[in-house]
Amino acid sequence: GESVGLHLPTLSVQEGDNSIINCAYSNSASDYFIWYKQESGKGPQFIIDIRSNMDKRQGQRVTVLLNKTVKHLSLQIAATQPGDSAVYFCAENMGSNYQLIWGAGTKLIIKP
Amino acid sequence: EAQVTQNPRYLITVTGKKLTVTCSQNMNHEYMSWYRQDPGLGLRQIYYSMNVEVTDKGDVPEGYKVSRKEKRNFPLILESPSPNQTSLYFCASRDPAGGLYEQYFGPGTRLTVT
Repeated sequence: GESVGLHLPTLSVQEGDNSIINCAYSNSASDYFIWYKQESGKGPQFIIDIRSNMDKRQGQRVTVLLNKTVKHLSLQIAATQPGDSAVYFCAENMGSNYQLIWGAGTKLIIKP
Repeated sequence: EAQVTQNPRYLITVTGKKLTVTCSQNMNHEYMSWYRQDPGLGLRQIYYSMNVEVTDKGDVPEGYKVSRKEKRNFPLILESPSPNQTSLYFCASRDPAGGLYEQYFGPGTRLTVT
C-alpha cells in the first residue's frame, strides 16, 4: 500500500542553526500534507499544513516546502531552540473524512 | 482550558479482561478519533467519529469498539484485550474552524496487556 516515509530517523542540530526535516510520500493523489510535533510524554501537536497546489508555506519560524515532482516534503525550522526537541511527523490525507497516513517520525535533537 | 483528556494514563491488564479508555473534549468539536502509536509505525487510526452516533473504522479497527453517544465523549473499548494491543493510544478531536487537518490530541494512554 502507499505510505509516507522519512529519510532520517534522527537529526542532530546545533542550537541556533536551521533544521531541515525531510519526508517522502508516495500517494500522488493526496491533497494535503501536514506536519506534527510530538514532545516526549505528550500527544502530537499540529504545526503546519500545505495544500498540494502550493509549493511553499510559512508559519512562525517554520517553512514547509512541497516538491510534487519528486514527491518530497520538508519542514524547515529557523534558529532551532531547545524547545524544538521532539519527534516530527509528516502525514498526508487519504482524501476524505480527514483521515491521515502518518510517517514513522524523525527525532530532532538539539545540541547546546 | 481547552483540552482533550484521557483516562487512565497508564494501564496494565491481562489478556481477555475487558477495558475502556475514556476520552473527553471540552471544545465542542464534532470530529473525534482514536489512534495507536507503535515504535517505527507512526500513528495508525483505529476509529473515528464525524458526529454523535456516527462512527467509522480507521486503518486498524480489529479488536476495538467505540461509541459516540454525546459530543464530548468518545470511549475506546477493548472487549477482549490481547498482547498485540499493547501500545500507546491517543484520542484526538478536530476544530472545524482551524486547519482542515488540525487535530488536538490527548496526553495518551499507555496500555500493556500481559
